[in-house]
Amino acid sequence: DQQVKQNSPSLSVQEGRISILNCDYTNSMFDYFLWYKKYPAEGPTFLISISSIKDKNEDGRFTVFLNKSAKHLSLHIVPSQPGDSAVYFCAASEGGTYKYIFGTGTRLKVLA
Amino acid sequence: GAGVSQSPSNKVTEKGKDVELRCDPISGHTALYWYRQSLGQGLEFLIYFQGNSAPDKSGLPSDRFSAERTGGSVSTLTIQRTQQEDSAVYLCASSLRRDNSPLHFGNGTRLTVT
Repeated sequence: DQQVKQNSPSLSVQEGRISILNCDYTNSMFDYFLWYKKYPAEGPTFLISISSIKDKNEDGRFTVFLNKSAKHLSLHIVPSQPGDSAVYFCAASEGGTYKYIFGTGTRLKVLA
Repeated sequence: GAGVSQSPSNKVTEKGKDVELRCDPISGHTALYWYRQSLGQGLEFLIYFQGNSAPDKSGLPSDRFSAERTGGSVSTLTIQRTQQEDSAVYLCASSLRRDNSPLHFGNGTRLTVT
């Protein structure tokens, strides 16, 4: 059973527009969420995180929103740039534990 | 400072052979993880080390897989009698502490079993 789901395997966005990547989870005990970006032949790079005590966290062009009642989080990138083209993974962990469960990723392509 | 280092970056091996994959975590990071990513899949948890505690091996897919971490630093993942389904990218990550701490990944080892 996939506890963390990224239902869109791919997404294309025009440069300068907003990219919205979505992630759903099933375990209501998850309370810490992260987004990673992965380029080909490289390891995932940490982007931004959010704790369940918040519903929004912002870092530059990246904002993560958390809707606990819907068990849904999203990553907004604005404005999108061609260098943002990569695979994005969301991950979640349960309070006080170390095991991060990852989604299957969404491939973002930002068109120049 | 240096990030997580993994070697080799690529490994091609024949079915039935043993392989060893190495990970050097970030200095001072007490937690070390192994994940693997098979083609078209997400990151699958394999094993976790934290300090001197017993590792969590719950993600290892079979008894052909084992890992150790020497001196709380370098880790080696060993796959015995490799099978074609073991082909994947094996990723090592470290983090500063046990929880609510982002993982820092190496670039992975791409294993191909022929």
